[in-house]
Amino acid sequence: RKEVEQDPGPFNVPEGATVAFNCTYSNSASQSFFWYRQDCRKEPKLLMSVYSSGNEDGRFTAQLNRASQYISLLIRDSKLSDSATYLCVVTGGGYNKLIFGAGTRLAVHP
Amino acid sequence: EPEVTQTPSHQVTQMGQEVILRCVPISNHLYFYWYRQILGQKVEFLVSFYNNEISEKSEIFDDQFSVERPDGSNFTLKIRSTKLEDSAMYFCASSESARATGYTFGSGTRLTVV
Repeated sequence: RKEVEQDPGPFNVPEGATVAFNCTYSNSASQSFFWYRQDCRKEPKLLMSVYSSGNEDGRFTAQLNRASQYISLLIRDSKLSDSATYLCVVTGGGYNKLIFGAGTRLAVHP
Repeated sequence: EPEVTQTPSHQVTQMGQEVILRCVPISNHLYFYWYRQILGQKVEFLVSFYNNEISEKSEIFDDQFSVERPDGSNFTLKIRSTKLEDSAMYFCASSESARATGYTFGSGTRLTVV
C-alpha cells in the first residue's frame, strides 16, 4: 500500500465550481498533515495544515479523520489561478520528514 | 519574506561526473533537508540534517550521496558519480524547529544527467 494515496486526476472544472480532493495515508503514527500546492516545475508551497477539528482558510476547507486515516480538501468558487497540482502530505515516523502523495492535478477553465 | 536559495537553477552533467548542488537556508533555521522529484513523479525525501549531522535518510540516499554544511550559511548535496536516473528536480528546504510546520522550500535545481 502506498504511504499517501491521492486521486491522480486531472480534475477539469469551470470557474466557480466546488471541487473536492481526497487522500488516504497508511502510517497511523503520522503526526502532522498538510495540503501543498505545486505549480508546473516549481517548488511545493504550503497551502494549509490540516487538523482533526477541521480548518478553513477563505475558499479552502481541510478535514482530517484520524480513525480512517483520511484527509480532504474542498475548494469553493474555483478561480483560474487555482489551477495547479494539489499534494497531500503527512509526516513520517519522526516529526519532520514529509511524505508526499503523487498529487491531484486541477485545471480550472473559463 | 525570507527565502531558501538554491544554485544553480539548472545543471547538465555527464554520467559518472560529480555534482554539487548548493542551498542557502533561511538564516535562523536549524533543520535542513533535501528532496527530489523525478519528472512526472512524486516528491521524495532524501535526507534531513541537524546539528551538523544527518538525522534521517531514505533508501535513495545511498553511498553516492553526501551532504555538508561547510560554513554557517551553505548546505550542499553532493552526488559522487551521477547516473542517468539521478536526473530530477532537487529541492532544498529548511525549518526553524523539529516540527514539520514551518518548512520553506527552495525553488529547486533541475539536474539533467546525459
